[in-house]
Amino acid sequence: ETGVTQSPTHLIKTRGQQVTLRCSSQSGHNTVSWYQQALGQGPQFIFQYYREEENGRGNFPPRFSGLQFPNYSSELNVNALELDDSALYLCASSLDQQPQHFGDGTRLSIL
Amino acid sequence: GDSVTQMEGPVTLSEEAFLTINCTYTATGYPSLFWYVQYPGEGLQLLLKATKADDKGSNKGFEATYRKETTSFHLEKGSVQVSDSAVYFCALRMSQGAQKLVFGQGTRLTINP
Repeated sequence: ETGVTQSPTHLIKTRGQQVTLRCSSQSGHNTVSWYQQALGQGPQFIFQYYREEENGRGNFPPRFSGLQFPNYSSELNVNALELDDSALYLCASSLDQQPQHFGDGTRLSIL
Repeated sequence: GDSVTQMEGPVTLSEEAFLTINCTYTATGYPSLFWYVQYPGEGLQLLLKATKADDKGSNKGFEATYRKETTSFHLEKGSVQVSDSAVYFCALRMSQGAQKLVFGQGTRLTINP
């Protein structure tokens, strides 16, 4: 089975720009979660989508937004990028309440 | 709010040594508990889990027991290998609401030959 895939693997942006990160869920999974992992820290929950609807949100400002598509793939959009947004962004998929499976992440650097 | 506290690292051991990484949690209900492992340049891989008190999760020689009385989920392995070098994350997930994971800060483990 195909695992969770994320694109791109690395990205460099400047302050004020906008970015879109993409995630393809593992086959058969209907739930996608996004996490931000700053260097040397544990991942922090951004939000989750279940069957195309937002199903929960962490303590992140509205400039972090997302989408889930009918095929359960997902996008994370971040507007007005700030230096502190530099991090590894992880996508995880699951089927209902089963354990989450993570992709390898997108490393975002803000200059 | 819900939180996870892990033993601070880094931890350095010799091959075949016994490993313990401590993890305690704070939660308003009865969470499921997980250990994830992260190898350099990769995402997180599920190592083991436990869903209720006294459950023991195990995988690849690693074990952890869900202790409700001490709110702990310590990771152990009897004989570590160089290939176990990685960052280990303890996490909880509540059964109500969004299926979000709350992670500890991670413990970097290095095994020397």
